[in-house]
Amino acid sequence: ETGVTQTPRHLVMGMTNKKSLKCEQHLGHNAMYWYKQSAKKPLELMFVYNFKEQTENNSVPSRFSPECPNSSHLFLHLHTLQPEDSALYLCASSQGVSGYEQYFGPGTRLTVT
Amino acid sequence: DQQVKQNSPSLSVQEGRISILNCDYTNSMFDYFLWYKKYPAEGPTFLISISSIKDKNEDGRFTVFLNKSAKHLSLHIVPSQPGDSAVYFCAASGSNFGNEKLTFGTGTRLTIIP
Repeated sequence: ETGVTQTPRHLVMGMTNKKSLKCEQHLGHNAMYWYKQSAKKPLELMFVYNFKEQTENNSVPSRFSPECPNSSHLFLHLHTLQPEDSALYLCASSQGVSGYEQYFGPGTRLTVT
Repeated sequence: DQQVKQNSPSLSVQEGRISILNCDYTNSMFDYFLWYKKYPAEGPTFLISISSIKDKNEDGRFTVFLNKSAKHLSLHIVPSQPGDSAVYFCAASGSNFGNEKLTFGTGTRLTIIP
């Protein structure tokens, strides 16, 4: 238990569906992150929020839409996804964005059919 | 173009022996390096880090070595224990960017044989 929870743990959705992934951290951290892990590929950083402000968007397609209503919660809204978006989506948090290790949640295994 | 490479996808080591996991990087701006460990169905957990002002950092059974001229780092685990069986990720960043530019390798699956 790292103090970072993610729901749901597994999600199957069609290409026309709209769904959201949720992440919550109970560590009092100020920065939160979304990562994508595809098979046999490195973890890819998608979005970074620092004090609720988005500070990084690594050229992520607009069908992924992040939302950070406060420092403890992070959402990833999904719509019109493609089968190649099937992956493990990991949320992480850290005290700050520089010099602090990140604490990861268990991930959401997403399958797009 | 992968800036952080872990060329061994898997490694098997006898319990009690030393496990050595390797990582190479190409970006000379990287000056902060981390190792994460991941068990199945869990997120990665931070293991140990090193900044480029040092060439070695030790924490219990885990030691990370950094060779800046070769752009290479390694994680040594000694003695290896069955609970060390996991996937190990190397990650790197520049101190000016921190976690906003953290780049991960593809991971090495370590199996400790009892």
